[in-house]
Amino acid sequence: QVQLQESGPGLVKPSETLSLTCTVSGGSVSSGNYYWSWIRQPPGKGLEWIGYIYYTGRGSHNPSLKSRVTISLDTSKNQFSLRLSSVTAADTAVYYCVTLHCSGGSCGFDNWGQGTLVTVSS
Amino acid sequence: DIQMTQSPSSLSASVGDRVTITCQASQDISIYLDWYQQKPGKAPKLLIYDASTLEVGVPSRFSGGGSGTDFTFTISSLQPEDFATYYCQQYNNLPYTFGQGTKLQIK
Repeated sequence: QVQLQESGPGLVKPSETLSLTCTVSGGSVSSGNYYWSWIRQPPGKGLEWIGYIYYTGRGSHNPSLKSRVTISLDTSKNQFSLRLSSVTAADTAVYYCVTLHCSGGSCGFDNWGQGTLVTVSS
Repeated sequence: DIQMTQSPSSLSASVGDRVTITCQASQDISIYLDWYQQKPGKAPKLLIYDASTLEVGVPSRFSGGGSGTDFTFTISSLQPEDFATYYCQQYNNLPYTFGQGTKLQIK
């Protein structure tokens, strides 16, 4: 069973860059078993898919976030990371790192970190 | 983007009740739909994929159905631990999108 743990600052100033890291245990970010993903949830609201990266380095992100998103892998540390630039209060949310497992056309976000609240405020 | 619309947004029910939540996609997504359960302060949990296939370990009182644009999620006999918020999510097209959630509360 893959386990995920988010880490990073809980407070970010407006216009700065949000940076989070997800440490993976019980699996390898170098394997093709998962798409390594980020999902966020503003307080009291629903879920929004941010993006994912595959072990090949290929990735995709939500166009609603325009070009502010960067997701990367660090195979030496078995981690993947999220950077979100030019943040505003609208980016305040609980951020989850998640594995997306796809097999034979079936997909599901099947392992979730506990989530970390990031507040954007001066 | 594909819009996912759940109804109702909230629902009050009693232990033992049968409840059904619907999810409608703004365009055909075949069976590429998941259902998640989220309890307060916790991460969501995958319950169903491919619209109707139960994830390993999920109790059989949970079920899902539908294809195309209209889907259902049913709990056949509510248990105390089932009071939570439920989300549908499509994976037919990028970006993946979620419904707004259905909060299931104790009557």
